[in-house]
Amino acid sequence: SQQGEEDPQALSIQEGENATMNCSYKTSINNLQWYRQNSGRGLVHLILIRSNEREKHSGRLRVTLDTSKKSSSLLITASRAADTASYFCATGNNQGGKLIFGQGTELSVKP
Amino acid sequence: GAVVSQHPSRVICKSGTSVKIECRSLDFQATTMFWYRQFPKKSLMLMATSNEGSKATYEQGVEKDKFLINHASLTLSTLTVTSAHPEDSSFYICSVRGGSFYGYTFGSGTRLTVV
Repeated sequence: SQQGEEDPQALSIQEGENATMNCSYKTSINNLQWYRQNSGRGLVHLILIRSNEREKHSGRLRVTLDTSKKSSSLLITASRAADTASYFCATGNNQGGKLIFGQGTELSVKP
Repeated sequence: GAVVSQHPSRVICKSGTSVKIECRSLDFQATTMFWYRQFPKKSLMLMATSNEGSKATYEQGVEKDKFLINHASLTLSTLTVTSAHPEDSSFYICSVRGGSFYGYTFGSGTRLTVV
C-alpha cells in the first residue's frame, strides 16, 4: 500500500533556482528516505533521515522531518539541468524492512 | 550499499507465456529482497518480500500464483510472471537492503511488455 503523498506532483524551474518537494505519510516510521529516479531507470538513494532527527544535509540536498506533522521536505539548492528526474520519499518501519513509497514529484530543471 | 543487477532490462512476450526476471545481489548476501511494480508516471508499489530459503510474503491484492517468487540463494531472487496478459505490462524493480546501510539499493528495472 502507498502511504506517502507528495506535492507538488510536478515542478518546473530554471537552472540555479531551488526546488522544494514535500512528502506526507500516515503511519509511524523509523526513518524516511528520499530517492531519485531517472526516466525508465532504477532508483538511486539520496538521503535518509531517522525519526529522531529533524534536519539533514548532503551536498546540495537538505531534508527536514516533522514527525508531529508526519511530513518531510527535500530541498535541492542551486538546481542543475542534470537534477531533472522524479523524486520519491519512502518510509521504513519495523515491518520486515518494507519500504513504502510516496507518489513522487517530477522535477524539470530548464537550462 | 549493495550492488544489484537486474536482468533482463526489457522483455516483450506474447500473451499466455511466462517471463522470468532475475535480481542478483553482487557483493552482498541478501536474505531479503523486495519486488516492486511501477506504472508509467506512478509510484512504486511493493508486490512482495522475497525471503531466502522460504516462501515470499505477498502484499494484499497481489496474486501469488500469478507472480511466482523464488529466492533460492543469498544472491539471487527471481520473479516469474506466469500466463502474462497485456495488463501485466509494467516496470518491475527489485531492491536489496544492504548491510549496515539503512538505505536500499535498487536494480535497474525490467520493462515488460505483453503483446
